Amino acid sequence: GAVVSQHPSWVICKSGTSVKIECRSLDFQATTMFWYRQFPKQSLMLMATSNEGSKATYEQGVEKDKFLINHASLTLSTLTVTSAHPEDSSFYICSASPAGHEQFFGPGTRLTVL
Amino acid sequence: DAKTTQPTSMDCAEGRAANLPCNHSTISGNEYVYWYRQIHSQGPQYIIHGLKNNETNEMASLIITEDRKSSTLILPHATLRDTAVYYCIVRGSGGYQKVTFGIGTKLQVIP
Repeated sequence: GAVVSQHPSWVICKSGTSVKIECRSLDFQATTMFWYRQFPKQSLMLMATSNEGSKATYEQGVEKDKFLINHASLTLSTLTVTSAHPEDSSFYICSASPAGHEQFFGPGTRLTVL
Repeated sequence: DAKTTQPTSMDCAEGRAANLPCNHSTISGNEYVYWYRQIHSQGPQYIIHGLKNNETNEMASLIITEDRKSSTLILPHATLRDTAVYYCIVRGSGGYQKVTFGIGTKLQVIP
């Protein structure tokens, strides 16, 4: 089946630093990937749609200069949280879809900003 | 995307069938019903989807009413590993379609 991986699975960083999270489709190509954020005991919230070779589309209220998305190839999208602060601590999840209906989700990355 | 309504939580005895309902009264003709689940601290897992016919796979069955305004996900023999939050989502077809998650149903399988 389609597999999506994320790296790292967890990261702890100091306030003010930047953190990069990778999302890879391991056995299929994905022209579109999605990034979600999930706070404790809440549902997933879509942050942005990542399109290979073009600019990402951000959801309302998501700062594009703070959450940089790069979808440089058909199997890799990266999310960089710039100048991270404690309120950015969250569970970040990506998803991608091979040709067809289903979206497959990565295992998530837990970010803790001290 | 059409909005869905699910119960906040449900309990099910291990070995019994778990029936998770979902209302989607504003679903449009080209929208599919998708079910995902999220086990604690993991990414969501695709379960099943359908348009208007009932569907079955190795994980579950999906029963969609004739008017398509509601559906039921059935886990035929629930195990403790099925304890998770189950999300019912209605959206158009195509992998490029974004998935909008609601609150979902917290299913607790009880020994």
